[in-house]
Amino acid sequence: DSGVTQTPKHLITATGQRVTLRCSPRSGDLSVYWYQQSLDQGLQFLIQYYNGEERAKGNILERFSAQQFPDLHSELNLSSLELGDSALYFCASSVLGGGDTQYFGPGTRLTVL
Amino acid sequence: QKEVEQDPGPLSVPEGAIVSLNCTYSNSAFQYFMWYRQYSRKGPELLMYTYSSGNKEDGRFTAQVDKSSKYISLFIRDSQPSDSATYLCAPGVDSGYSTLTFGKGTMLLVSP
Repeated sequence: DSGVTQTPKHLITATGQRVTLRCSPRSGDLSVYWYQQSLDQGLQFLIQYYNGEERAKGNILERFSAQQFPDLHSELNLSSLELGDSALYFCASSVLGGGDTQYFGPGTRLTVL
Repeated sequence: QKEVEQDPGPLSVPEGAIVSLNCTYSNSAFQYFMWYRQYSRKGPELLMYTYSSGNKEDGRFTAQVDKSSKYISLFIRDSQPSDSATYLCAPGVDSGYSTLTFGKGTMLLVSP
């Protein structure tokens, strides 16, 4: 158990809908990262937050957004969902965010029908 | 050329074999190198973290980094069926924030 929690574990929804994925980092970690993993693309970095502020952005679509709250939990919002958004979404956390170890949560499996 | 490349496998070996997993990268700015292990559809877990060229050993695992040739290896001695998983190499740049670039991973199957 990495100490990173993610909810829900599974999510099934329809095209065009909007969903919110939630992540609680390990106690003491200030940085949160979001990744998408699909079968053909591997782990793709989406976005990083550090202590409430956006720190780095990767291949995140405009339909996706994220935020980190004062209690350091983070939410990833996915809107206007398409079939191709079906994937595993992982959250990771680290103490600072500058080259330190990232600890991954168990992931949320999103299925868009 | 992709930034990080790994042979997807699967690599099938018998129990007890020495396994060599390899990764190449193209970005010379990468400064540190991680190996993660991922069991099927689970969250990746960190195996090894190295910050320089050379070897680092931890139990049955040895990570080897050759920055001059941009080549990373993970060796597993006395492989066990429980080692069956996908191994992801993930080099990163330490520039005040940390983003890892993951390879697609190599699937390893260790048969009893």
